[in-house]
Amino acid sequence: EVQLVESGGGLVQPGESLRLSCEVSGFTFNKYWMTWVRQAPGKGLEWVANIKQDGSETNYVDSVKGRFTISRDNTKNSLYLQMNSLRVEDTAIYYCARYAGAPEPWGQGTQVSVSS
Amino acid sequence: DIQMTQSPSSLSASVGDTVTISCRASQGISNSLAWIQQKPGKAPKSLIYLASKLQSGVPSKFSGSGSGTDFTLTISSLQPEDFATYYCQQYSRYPYTFGQGTKLEIK
Repeated sequence: EVQLVESGGGLVQPGESLRLSCEVSGFTFNKYWMTWVRQAPGKGLEWVANIKQDGSETNYVDSVKGRFTISRDNTKNSLYLQMNSLRVEDTAIYYCARYAGAPEPWGQGTQVSVSS
Repeated sequence: DIQMTQSPSSLSASVGDTVTISCRASQGISNSLAWIQQKPGKAPKSLIYLASKLQSGVPSKFSGSGSGTDFTLTISSLQPEDFATYYCQQYSRYPYTFGQGTKLEIK
């Protein structure tokens, strides 16, 4: 069974950092692009970043460029999102997903709240 | 950035109905489009990729069509479990972008 499990979310103050993790199982992790998508409270979905199979290419939405870093460890079947200089507007549920033509499947999400 | 505009934003329908949701891209995206379903409090689930291809395990009551800038998702024989919010997403150019969502409600 394919599974993606996010962790690392929490409540932080503006300017602080968090590192999200997504541990996967049930498929050959190093054969797939991976992505992070977020959803602010009561809002729609927003694509955040993605990363190529070997980590050699990454892409970001403009609002997180320079603050967030997506990475992966294929030996640990894990995807990461390092989030620095967090802002109130980064408050959202963060989902990781495997990318194969479309994001699927998705993890259950981890809540990130940024508030003073 | 490519803007994705869905219509309608909300839709009321009855069990057994067939509904169509539209998605328009601000520039051509060939067939690089996915349709995603999200039920309240749940993680999203992709239904369709490459505009018309069903994800594994997705029932054939869901169908997608279109190319270029105009796309549609059709859901036939609505059942209670189909009432959810549906998003389109383009993955032709970065940043990938989603439509604002269409909330399908029971009439």
